[in-house]
Amino acid sequence: EDKVVQSPLSLVVHEGDTVTLNCSYEVTNFRSLLWYKQEKKAPTFLFMLTSSGIEKKSGRLSSILDKKELFSILNITATQTGDSAVYLCAVSPWYTNAGKSTFGDGTTLTVKP
Amino acid sequence: DTEVTQTPKHLVMGMTNKKSLKCEQHMGHRAMYWYKQKAKKPPELMFVYSYEKLSINESVPSRFSPECPNSSLLNLHLHALQPEDSALYLCASSRRRGAGSDTQYFGPGTRLTVL
Repeated sequence: EDKVVQSPLSLVVHEGDTVTLNCSYEVTNFRSLLWYKQEKKAPTFLFMLTSSGIEKKSGRLSSILDKKELFSILNITATQTGDSAVYLCAVSPWYTNAGKSTFGDGTTLTVKP
Repeated sequence: DTEVTQTPKHLVMGMTNKKSLKCEQHMGHRAMYWYKQKAKKPPELMFVYSYEKLSINESVPSRFSPECPNSSLLNLHLHALQPEDSALYLCASSRRRGAGSDTQYFGPGTRLTVL
């Protein structure tokens, strides 16, 4: 059975800090790893990673995948209170039909002013 | 338009009621999903439709009945639910194939309370 483990489960930082969120996975026939941000309602897409060692970047957020060690990290620099959310990691296998993603339990990030 | 819409936003129903949740997208996505999310838990996949055909049913009880009447719409019919079915129900869509087909776009969800 596919498995995704995120750490830490929760994190409290102050504005301006840098944080690193971790996601390790076990999946048969790995295709992609995705990061989502969930505030009050729907998860919103952040990154999709398919290749090892290639950093994806969007503003203060960046992410990288290590397919040998089976993990990914999500970095957020110069955190702001608006970064407070649950960050979800999901993995998708190669699959004959539309994607069946397995989600981790998420990391709850709280950024204090 | 990268929006997935869901109605209603909130729903309170008794255990004998029949109600439906609706989801709509106009991104041309041919894969659509229903998830159930309990508080402080990740989304749990319930159903996947691919080209308007049910392709994945994650052993969901028959009191939940999905329907995909066309490529833009997805319904979830609810009947004889239990209080433990109270949750946030999320709809999502994605491309069926090709680059980015794993990226799912989520709707805002329907907060369901079963009394």
